[in-house]
Order: sequence, then structure tokens, then C-alpha cells
Amino acid sequence: GQQVMQIPQYQHVQEGEDFTTYCNSSTTLSNIQWYKQRPGGHPVFLIQLVKSGEVKKQKRLTFQFGEAKKNSSLHITATQTTDVGTYFCAGRSNYQLIWGAGTKLIIKP
Amino acid sequence: GAVVSQHPSRVICKSGTSVKIECRSLDFQATTMFWYRQFPKQSLMLMATSNEGSKATYEQGVEKDKFLINHASLTLSTLTVTSAHPEDSSFYICSATGTGGFEQYFGPGTRLTVT
Repeated sequence: GQQVMQIPQYQHVQEGEDFTTYCNSSTTLSNIQWYKQRPGGHPVFLIQLVKSGEVKKQKRLTFQFGEAKKNSSLHITATQTTDVGTYFCAGRSNYQLIWGAGTKLIIKP
Repeated sequence: GAVVSQHPSRVICKSGTSVKIECRSLDFQATTMFWYRQFPKQSLMLMATSNEGSKATYEQGVEKDKFLINHASLTLSTLTVTSAHPEDSSFYICSATGTGGFEQYFGPGTRLTVT
């Protein structure tokens, strides 16, 4: 079936270091969404990418959608403690929204 | 704006009983509502999608007779876990999209524990 693979499962970083999570789909996506779930909280919508090769920025967050619309990435520059949480991608294919497994961002003490 | 509430936030029930979870959109009309299940440290698993006034569309492997979904109005959807068993214990989250919208607004979730 259709799948969206998200890696890595966890990423430990020192505060101030960068963080990146990647999503790869087995099929071409019509769009991809990104969500953030804080520990103990519920997912919150971050952004939707629709166009091939699209790049969008939200302050220290940079979202990319691949040229083939099969992969996407989220990059956080200079992580802060407020960035802690799990980041999910969700790709839309054939009217279905397929969720990645999430990448948990952990700030090392 | 775009607030979704869920009730109850936590529920403990005995094996064999049924539990109803409510999902409400407080300040917008939710044309589509989604029900998810989330296991500890795992991703969201979509259970079903419901459009107001229509029967819910269940994902493969989700028993429709066990997880009854009703979306009778544009602001309310309910999930009833019938004849609950301990393996049904989980975190259930609903989300909703408004007319013409694509982003999902999530409720705070309901922690179900079946003893």
C-alpha cells in the first residue's frame, strides 16, 4: 500500500544545533503537510506544500517539497528548547492523507 | 479560532462496556472529521474519516462495528467503542477541517483505559 517513510525516528541535538527530518513517499503526492506535537499535546498544523520544488520558511523552520513531489524535508536552524516535540509529515495521495511515523526532536541537557 | 474540543479527556471503563467520545468544533463548521488512535511514542493511526450527514469511511483493519462513528452535525462527531477490551486502551484523537480548508485542527485527545 501507499506509504510515507519518515526518518530519523529520533534526533538528539545540543541546543543551538540544527535539526532535519525527511519524508519519502512511495507514490507521487498532491501535497504534503507538516505537524508538530509537543510532549503530552496534540498535533498542530505547521504548513502545507503543494508545488513541485516548493520551499517555504517560517522563522527558523525551512520546509521543502521535492521536484518529483515524492519527498519533503523540515529543517530547523539553531534549535531552541521550545522546538522539542515530534514532527510529523502527512502526504496526500489519491485523496488519502498518509502520515509519517514522526521524528522526535530531543534537546540534550 | 479553529478550536476542537474532546470529551472526556480521560475515561476508565470495565471490559465489555461501551464508551462514547465526543469531538466538537467550537468556532467553525467541521465538514470533515477524522478519528485517530495513537499508541505511546508512535505515530497517528487514522481510523476513519467522516463527513457530516454521511457514513464514515473506515481505514483498512478498523472494525466499523466496534468503533461506531456518528457525524450528525457540522460541529459534533462521536466515536463509540463498543464492548471495549484492554487492547482498545489507547489515546484517541479527533481532528476536523472546515469548509474548503485543508489543515486539520486537532482535539486534545481522550485517554481510554479498559480494565
